[in-house]
Amino acid sequence: GNSVTQMEGPVTLSEEAFLTINCTYTATGYPSLFWYVQYPGEGLQLLLKATKADDKGSNKGFEATYRKETTSFHLEKGSVQVSDSAVYFCALRAGGTSYGKLTFGQGTILTVHP
Amino acid sequence: GAGVSQSPSNKVTEKGKDVELRCDPISGHTALYWYRQSLGQGLEFLIYFQGNSAPDKSGLPSDRFSAERTGGSVSTLTIQRTQQEDSAVYLCASSSDNEQFFGPGTRLTVL
Repeated sequence: GNSVTQMEGPVTLSEEAFLTINCTYTATGYPSLFWYVQYPGEGLQLLLKATKADDKGSNKGFEATYRKETTSFHLEKGSVQVSDSAVYFCALRAGGTSYGKLTFGQGTILTVHP
Repeated sequence: GAGVSQSPSNKVTEKGKDVELRCDPISGHTALYWYRQSLGQGLEFLIYFQGNSAPDKSGLPSDRFSAERTGGSVSTLTIQRTQQEDSAVYLCASSSDNEQFFGPGTRLTVL
């Protein structure tokens, strides 16, 4: 079956540091890939997505590139802010459809200090 | 409303009791999903509705769990004879296309 593996957390950084959160997946075909973010006390919200190989999703300074050859979708940001402190989830949906369940990674807690 | 709403926001119940959790999706969204989030298991899919039908209910953990959707809108997740391991945050999401929009969740605590 489909699965998503995220790097172990928690991750603690100083403001303006570079962020990478690794995500690899196992799936048949060409899944769609997502990063969701959950800020403290808030609901889960979509951060960015990519639906085919070599696509780059980007939003709020975050980027992730769909790498079919390495089955990865690593999240990066060049300069993190305190307001980026949140839990980040990598997820996939089976390819060939706009609907269907999301399979999530275990989540990575990010804390950014001033 | 503007987003997915869920009620109640918090529910405390005693082991063995039945509970009902409600989800109001974004108007016009044909797809509706239930997930649960717990410390030990992370975010798990439970069931997916397209209209009033459930083409994928593979994530329901036992026959104590059931869900229905009426009028292509509101959905209710029912847990019968609750157990302590059912304690979690139950999330509902809806979508009309690629993106799933999540509600704030219902925190269920089984004593």
